[in-house]
Amino acid sequence: NAGVTQTPKFRILKIGQSMTLQCTQDMNHNYMYWYRQDPGMGLKLIYYSVGAGITDKGEVPNGYNVSRSTTEDFPLRLELAAPSQTSVYFCASSYSSGGANTEAFFGQGTRLTVV
Amino acid sequence: AQSVTQPDIHITVSEGASLELRCNYSYGATPYLFWYVQSPGQGLQLLLKYFSGDTLVQGIKGFEAEFKRSQSSFNLRKPSVHWSDAAEYFCAVGERTGANNLFFGTGTRLTVIP
Repeated sequence: NAGVTQTPKFRILKIGQSMTLQCTQDMNHNYMYWYRQDPGMGLKLIYYSVGAGITDKGEVPNGYNVSRSTTEDFPLRLELAAPSQTSVYFCASSYSSGGANTEAFFGQGTRLTVV
Repeated sequence: AQSVTQPDIHITVSEGASLELRCNYSYGATPYLFWYVQSPGQGLQLLLKYFSGDTLVQGIKGFEAEFKRSQSSFNLRKPSVHWSDAAEYFCAVGERTGANNLFFGTGTRLTVIP
């Protein structure tokens, strides 16, 4: 049972570099999310998607971009890395719009350091 | 606007002691409520969830939580803590419509003393 898979697990970037955080899920979930977790701050939503071809901004979208070309994949793009983007990034997915299937499943996280 | 408050940043308990982690929420309607646990270096694992019905919810690993509408609370409890329960615990409110986004509290770190 793979669930939600994120790669890489760790990455160090230099200021101004770009990278893509990969996320894939094998549960046929419609909804996918990207969160960042900063110490003492809980998780904040960056972007989300309610289905292939549909994405929207969350609470903290600046400096990031996403795409959703398939149900399975939801990559997060950092174009010009900044120290403020040093964080742990979590991808999550959930099945449907409300009810008992609203439970979100999380990946293991990507720890990103920008120096 | 939705928000979640976990007033205790860090709690230390002895193994075998009882545990209660506090969670208060703000939401315009009846919320979906969740407790997640995060072990060091790991992702978040769902402990339990409340959608409707019985306000006392049982979860995995012997945890339970009680939804109290009058107090806007959803406190997590365990009668006897094990050393393996040491982790970070997050309370979350889920939207009932739209993107089903989760709004997280800032977390409570649990330390268990042998």
